[in-house]
Amino acid sequence: EVLLVESGGALVQPGRSLRLSCTTSGFTFSDHVISWVRQAPGKGLEWVSVIRSEIYGATTEYAESVEGRFTVSRDDSRGIAYLQMNNLKTDDTAIYYCVRDIRSRSGYYYFDSWGQGTLVTVSS
Amino acid sequence: QFVLTQPPSASGTPGQRVTISCSGSHSNIGGNAVNWYQQFPGSAPKLLIYSNNQRPSGVPDRFSGSKSGTSASLAISGLQSEDEADYYCATWDDSRNGPWVFGRGTKVTVL
Repeated sequence: EVLLVESGGALVQPGRSLRLSCTTSGFTFSDHVISWVRQAPGKGLEWVSVIRSEIYGATTEYAESVEGRFTVSRDDSRGIAYLQMNNLKTDDTAIYYCVRDIRSRSGYYYFDSWGQGTLVTVSS
Repeated sequence: QFVLTQPPSASGTPGQRVTISCSGSHSNIGGNAVNWYQQFPGSAPKLLIYSNNQRPSGVPDRFSGSKSGTSASLAISGLQSEDEADYYCATWDDSRNGPWVFGRGTKVTVL
């Protein structure tokens, strides 16, 4: 069974940092692209970042709203992805989901597995 | 704020057919496949439709997806009470909006 479990969410003050972890099991982590998607309370889904597999150079991309403040990384030996969040703002308050990207036969990607999410609250 | 346009709500009585639209542009829906996610309150989203019209195993065949040009649709045929949830469309965006963009979500209510 494919599992993704997020951890590290907490209540933090604006300007502080936090690191989220996504611990996976049930699949070959190193072969897969991992994204982070967030959902502010009562709001819709917002893609945050992606980290590709080593085969694709472990390249990363970020949403404009977090560019320069968030850094995504991966530890293929442990099957864990991380999201380092610096200079947090109140607008970053959300549930953060770790998701596995899968490439379909037609070549397009989709999020086939989601973690349960971890809540980050940024407030003074 | 949301690159893809969805209606905020849709409703129907049990057994009816409900359709949710998702409108985008040439940089997203027009050139890429659309995926749909279902989310119940307090739970993580779940993949419902991928690559415009493909159902993962376990998804009932009353759910179907389609795409034409820069728009996509999710149809629920034979609406059931357990289908009451939020539904999000998503796709790849080739412009600086991307790479991934979502719709605002549509709340489906079973009357």
